[in-house]
Amino acid sequence: GAVVSQHPSWVICKSGTSVKIECRSLDFQATTMFWYRQFPKQSLMLMATSNEGSKATYEQGVEKDKFLINHASLTLSTLTVTSAHPEDSSFYICSASPVSSGSFDEQYFGPGTRLTVT
Amino acid sequence: KQEVTQIPAALSVPEGENLVLNCSFTDSAIYNLQWFRQDPGKGLTSLLLIQSSQREQTSGRLNASLDKSSGRSTLYIAASQPGDSATYLCAVNSDSWGKFQFGAGTQVVVTP
Repeated sequence: GAVVSQHPSWVICKSGTSVKIECRSLDFQATTMFWYRQFPKQSLMLMATSNEGSKATYEQGVEKDKFLINHASLTLSTLTVTSAHPEDSSFYICSASPVSSGSFDEQYFGPGTRLTVT
Repeated sequence: KQEVTQIPAALSVPEGENLVLNCSFTDSAIYNLQWFRQDPGKGLTSLLLIQSSQREQTSGRLNASLDKSSGRSTLYIAASQPGDSATYLCAVNSDSWGKFQFGAGTQVVVTP
């Protein structure tokens, strides 16, 4: 089956610094990738839709200047949390939809990245 | 705005019992609904995808039903095993761009 990887799987950073999270589709091309955030004991909340070669679309309430998304190729999207604060500590998960599927029904989720801001 | 609710929030059953997990959504105009499994600290594994035109999907011991008009889906897991212990998430796709709204999940514990 299709595989989506994320790197790093776990990161600790100090308040005020920036951290970059990568999402890669390993064996398929993805025009569109999605970024979700999951706080402890809560469900996933969609943050933004990442489209290859164009600007990301952010959900209401998500600061686009704080969460920078770059979808530079058909297999890689990155999420950079800028000037991170403790309240940004969360589990970040990406998903990707294969170009070949022709729809967004088929999505594969990455294993997630746990961010802890101290 | 679509809202997805899962009941119960947690469930503990002895091995061998059948599991029934419920998901309800407020807007019946959906494209599809998907059930996922999430193990602690891990990503999501897709279990079953039901298109809006379908009433159920089956895979092995898993069966998911969809009643779009009443805004409900049910996931049945037959003859539960300790390995079924996980959090089960229901997600609804209400637009054509693949954005899912997730429920809060049902945490399942199957005791040996």
